[in-house]
Amino acid sequence: DIQMTQSPSSLSASVGDSVTITCRASQGVYNYLAWYQQKRGRVPKLLIYAASTLQSGVPSRFSGSRSGTDFTLTISSLQPEDVATYYCQKYNSAPFTFGGGTKVEIK
Amino acid sequence: QVQLVESGGGVVQPGRSLRLSCAASGFNFSDFGMHWVRQAPGKGLEWVAVVSYDGTHKNYGDSVKGRFFTSRDNSKNTAYLQMNSLRTEDTAVYFCAKDTGAGPFDPWGQGTLVTVSS
Repeated sequence: DIQMTQSPSSLSASVGDSVTITCRASQGVYNYLAWYQQKRGRVPKLLIYAASTLQSGVPSRFSGSRSGTDFTLTISSLQPEDVATYYCQKYNSAPFTFGGGTKVEIK
Repeated sequence: QVQLVESGGGVVQPGRSLRLSCAASGFNFSDFGMHWVRQAPGKGLEWVAVVSYDGTHKNYGDSVKGRFFTSRDNSKNTAYLQMNSLRTEDTAVYFCAKDTGAGPFDPWGQGTLVTVSS
């Protein structure tokens, strides 16, 4: 099965900073990669799908990209409401594996 | 709007069974696959199972294969997760989620807590 490895597992940044989270697939998943945001005590929310397509209603400071089997989620200007754990997920075929998560905090 | 409501969680002893339900509304339920995802306390997300739009195709994560079974009743707009031979490590919040049709999951239900403990 394909493994999804996220890094870092946590990060702390200042409001306004640019933040980048990486997700590496152990094999090719093409563009079948999604990013979810889960705030503390809340339900996961779809942010990005097809590696770089923003879900409707998601602020434009969020963006995604792909280079081979490496994927990145970038928050261009971190806001207090972005404090959350972010997960990548492959969905090209079962099992629909999630990455381990990246916890984002404000410094 | 699209709404998913899970029910059926609770405290159960190891080795026993439990059935979760996911009641859907606000969309044409019979057009979309439905997934189950779980999250152990303080841990990340783990995909558990999927049932296709018509119930004919199902797939499971390795940790639950042979113990958990998913199904759906399109006449009732409800998906199910039958959990057998429960283990302490199955303790988690169980979410159901709608397949978008393009693959990712959106939206998710609020989750139901399953605690496996003697």
